[in-house]
Amino acid sequence: NAGVTQTPKFRILKIGQSMTLQCTQDMNHNYMYWYRQDPGMGLKLIYYSVGAGITDKGEVPNGYNVSRSTTEDFPLRLELAAPSQTSVYFCASSNRQGAFEQYFGPGTRLTVT
Amino acid sequence: GQQLNQSPQSMFIQEGEDVSMNCTSSSIFNTWLWYKQEPGEGPVLLIALYKAGELTSNGRLTAQFGITRKDSFLNISASIPSDVGIYFCATMNYGGSQGNLIFGKGTKLSVKP
Repeated sequence: NAGVTQTPKFRILKIGQSMTLQCTQDMNHNYMYWYRQDPGMGLKLIYYSVGAGITDKGEVPNGYNVSRSTTEDFPLRLELAAPSQTSVYFCASSNRQGAFEQYFGPGTRLTVT
Repeated sequence: GQQLNQSPQSMFIQEGEDVSMNCTSSSIFNTWLWYKQEPGEGPVLLIALYKAGELTSNGRLTAQFGITRKDSFLNISASIPSDVGIYFCATMNYGGSQGNLIFGKGTKLSVKP
């Protein structure tokens, strides 16, 4: 099992550009999450999904969109990149409701200039 | 909102020394989790605690769920260079939907050989 994989590993965007961060898990987990981590800070939840076709906002959803068409994939979309979105983005998954044991991908480091 | 306060913010220790760090909150929680993040990687779950007063070990790591349910402690005995990383505490965000975690800002551990 590869676990949770994320692509790309690094990306530089210009202000106003758009991009999609990819996340895939092969553990058949129903629950998937997107976090951002700013320097010296913990992780903050952007969006989450409790199953295919169901998504909901987390703590910091503004400027992002998600979709969940399959159990395996949970892409994160930035439509109009802003410098405030410069961060490291982590995708995670878990296998049961209320599961606290989330498994994280290696992250995508995004810089918006 | 609910906040987790971790201390110390960073530690510089000699190989072989023991390490103690803690996580506190003004709110009561039913779960405490400890994650480790190595440079360029996503967080990895070390220990999960589900009951007040619980003491759980994972190799040289020992974590305790505070009896007041407002804090947790992580100890590392006989540190080695590969213990280097950022240690995060996390718990369940009752303000959100199930499975959403909130994270402390982390304790950065440096180990000098």
